[in-house]
Amino acid sequence: AQKITQTQPGMFVQEKEAVTLDCTYDTSDQSYGLFWYKQPSSGEMIFLIYQGSYDEQNATEGRYSLNFQKARKSANLVISASQLGDSAMYFCAMREDPHVTGNQFYFGTGTSLTVIP
Amino acid sequence: DAMVIQNPRYQVTQFGKPVTLSCSQTLNHNVMYWYQQKSSQAPKLLFHYYDKDFNNEADTPDNFQSRRPNTSFCFLDIRSPGLGDAAMYLCATTQSGSSYNEQFFGPGTRLTVL
Repeated sequence: AQKITQTQPGMFVQEKEAVTLDCTYDTSDQSYGLFWYKQPSSGEMIFLIYQGSYDEQNATEGRYSLNFQKARKSANLVISASQLGDSAMYFCAMREDPHVTGNQFYFGTGTSLTVIP
Repeated sequence: DAMVIQNPRYQVTQFGKPVTLSCSQTLNHNVMYWYQQKSSQAPKLLFHYYDKDFNNEADTPDNFQSRRPNTSFCFLDIRSPGLGDAAMYLCATTQSGSSYNEQFFGPGTRLTVL
């Protein structure tokens, strides 16, 4: 089974609107971390936001927030007030308990976001 | 600023000509990774080091090798590059011990094979 699933290969959003990028995960570990990265056309992977499995509140970082639904095993990224510079590939990733499964990170297949002026 | 540095940013090589990509970090992280990423795909893990312990992914071709001479540096050697090895190569680091520690990525090296 896939550890991380991103079901939206491509998304379009109007500038200044909000957009939600979906991510579901699969793990049996109690302790895990969920991460979102942005990859513009330059290729660099930019860390955006993370959510720990024990965190009760949804993470927020500026215009980014993470809608964490533990029972559904989903960790959707919400970008508010989209800007043209948000056009990029977005990857969801998970790190399981390193004491159990080592130091590997699992990546989804990514969502390509295009912001329309 | 603490960071992950990759050199060169762009590398052009000829079919079959060995190439070495380098990565250095000032974060003092004990885990370092090499990923291969082709266009519009997720990064594919090639190797990672936990301190000096080397972990090779099962499907990483023998054509790829890696060295980590010290905590700060890691190298990726491609012994005989083929056209299929043209890709972005990403180096990343993290600190072990917690699932909450994120990976920090370098800017990548874009490899072209002629």
